[in-house]
Amino acid sequence: DTEVTQTPKHLVMGMTNKKSLKCEQHMGHRAMYWYKQKAKKPPELMFVYSYEKLSINESVPSRFSPECPNSSLLNLHLHALQPEDSALYLCASSQERTDEKLFFGSGTQLSVL
Amino acid sequence: GENVEQHPSTLSVQEGDSAVIKCTYSDSASNYFPWYKQELGKRPQLIIDIRSNVGEKKDQRIAVTLNKTAKHFSLHITETQPEDSAVYFCAAGNSGGGADGLTFGKGTHLIIQP
Repeated sequence: DTEVTQTPKHLVMGMTNKKSLKCEQHMGHRAMYWYKQKAKKPPELMFVYSYEKLSINESVPSRFSPECPNSSLLNLHLHALQPEDSALYLCASSQERTDEKLFFGSGTQLSVL
Repeated sequence: GENVEQHPSTLSVQEGDSAVIKCTYSDSASNYFPWYKQELGKRPQLIIDIRSNVGEKKDQRIAVTLNKTAKHFSLHITETQPEDSAVYFCAAGNSGGGADGLTFGKGTHLIIQP
C-alpha cells in the first residue's frame, strides 16, 4: 500500500462548527505532515509529526489542533474557523523526518461559511 | 529562512518540444531539491529530486540540474506530451529535517499545446 488516504474529500462548515480531518498511511512512514494549499498557490507547512511527536508548529492559529494517535494516523481538529481558512488541506508522509520523498494524500477541500 | 523563486509562472510549449523551469534558492544550508507535479484537482506527486552532492539527475524524459555555487536548479522535460500539462513546484530543504521543512516555489503552470 503506497497511499496516503484522507477523509473527507470535501467539507463545508460554519464558523461555529467543530470538525476533524483524518489521514491514514500504511507505508510504515514515521513522519506525517499537514499542509494548507490555497488555489494556485504552493503548499504551506502547518504541522509535522515525527515518531508521533509534534516537531514543528508553524505559528498556526490555535483553531487548528493536530493529533497523532499512532504512527499510521493523523488528525486535524478544526474549531471556530474563519472564511479565510477555506483551502485544500493536504496530509503527507515520509519515511523519516527528512522532508524527502513526501507522499501526499488527495486532500480535503474545506469551505468555511 | 529559505526563499525559493520559480520562473516562469506559466509556460506554453508545443507537444514534442522541451520545457525548462528554473528555481533559485537563498539558504546555502539547503541540500535537497525535489520537484512536484500537481494536476488539476489532484495531489502533488514527486517526479524527481536531487541532493546537493550531485549536479544532475535524469529519469527518462525528466532531468534536474543543480548549480550549488549559483544556488539555482532547473527541471528539464524533453519530448513533452499532453499528460505533462500540470503545475510544477520546485522546493528546497535540508534533508536533516530543517526547522522550517520544505520551502516551495510559487509554481509553474505548464501547458502543452497539441
